[in-house]
Amino acid sequence: NAGVMQNPRHLVRRRGQEARLRCSPMKGHSHVYWYRQLPEEGLKFMVYLQKENIIDESGMPKERFSAEFPKEGPSILRIQQVVRGDSAAYFCASSPTSGSPDTQYFGPGTRLTVL
Amino acid sequence: AQSVTQLDSHVSVSEGTPVLLRCNYSSSYSPSLFWYVQHPNKGLQLLLKYTSAATLVKGINGFEAEFKKSETSFHLTKPSAHMSDAAEYFCVVSEVNAGKSTFGDGTTLTVKP
Repeated sequence: NAGVMQNPRHLVRRRGQEARLRCSPMKGHSHVYWYRQLPEEGLKFMVYLQKENIIDESGMPKERFSAEFPKEGPSILRIQQVVRGDSAAYFCASSPTSGSPDTQYFGPGTRLTVL
Repeated sequence: AQSVTQLDSHVSVSEGTPVLLRCNYSSSYSPSLFWYVQHPNKGLQLLLKYTSAATLVKGINGFEAEFKKSETSFHLTKPSAHMSDAAEYFCVVSEVNAGKSTFGDGTTLTVKP
């Protein structure tokens, strides 16, 4: 059973461009979470999604950031018009459909650098 | 609301000596508690978790943690440090079925030869 997959692992964008980060949860997992880790800091929750639904987006910046988890395909975190402050590692986690929904399994992260 | 405080931002030990990484939490409900380890430029690996069963939880790589409700603590210990234990450690609280998890700011463990 492959773990949580994220791609790309590294992404470089210039200010004003768009960044798209993809996350494929573990097989059988229908809960996806996105976290951001700024340099020298811990992970900060951004958004929690289930298939086709945003459950909790209390950690998402109000502008430029959006997330989706379609019925088919990976979850996407989209950052429009990136700025230098968006440079960070973005981690995706997934948890099972049932059983122990609060145990989250993390992907390797996408490291976004904004020039 | 839930929060986590990792009491030490850096801990340095000698190889073969015990490790203690301290974590205090607050939660409105019965929490689930986790410790994750992150090696440089890598993702997070689950070390262990507490979910209201036994208060002493054993994890991978010889780590264990004890849940103390009266002290609202969930400290991580290991009897004998190994060089490969050098990494960043995160204490995490999650209210059962709440979805999001709250991370502490992390403790950097350095292991000296």
